[in-house]
Amino acid sequence: ILNVEQSPQSLHVQEGDSTNFTCSFPSSNFYALHWYRWETAKSPEALFVMTLNGDEKKKGRISATLNTKEGYSYLYIKGSQPEDSATYLCAFKDQAGTALIFGKGTTLSVSS
Amino acid sequence: DAGITQSPRHKVTETGTPVTLRCHQTENHRYMYWYRQDPGHGLRLIHYSYGVKDTDKGEVSDGYSVSRSKTEDFLLTLESATSSQTSVYFCAISRTSGHNEQFFGPGTRLTVL
Repeated sequence: ILNVEQSPQSLHVQEGDSTNFTCSFPSSNFYALHWYRWETAKSPEALFVMTLNGDEKKKGRISATLNTKEGYSYLYIKGSQPEDSATYLCAFKDQAGTALIFGKGTTLSVSS
Repeated sequence: DAGITQSPRHKVTETGTPVTLRCHQTENHRYMYWYRQDPGHGLRLIHYSYGVKDTDKGEVSDGYSVSRSKTEDFLLTLESATSSQTSVYFCAISRTSGHNEQFFGPGTRLTVL
């Protein structure tokens, strides 16, 4: 089973701080990398789907980068707000696999 | 929001009883998935479907079976529920197997006593 690692497991920041998380995945046979945002008591919602090395995606204050050759993706949040508090999941699929493999997530808590 | 519903939303059952969870979509997406969410494990894939009558096992398929007789419905069955199957179950759908995002249902909280 492929391993998808996310770090840190959790972090706590103050409102206005910028932060970033890491998702590590196998660097061979890359197919796609997803990021999801999962608020407590809700369902995961897609942030980004990234398919090419060097991809950079942005949605408001959240952005992501992808390095398939070294097997990592970064998720950045600029000027964190309390409403950004959630668990951020990444998910990886290689060319041989038939479904996404999810990491365990990074739980972000933003204090006002 | 993607048209995806799960039923029931909550269920309490006893060890050894059969349980069926239903996922229904109105998006006509080809792929459907069942995950379970447990503390410390994140989301783990149980089974998935890539078309009507086409299903395959995921990471944690033991004790579960699935069926998809129509595009819009994906059923997850616990033939004989055990306490280790107490969890929150999420259904998800997607147009493709990786290049499009997955849309998740609201979840079903199952407690096996």
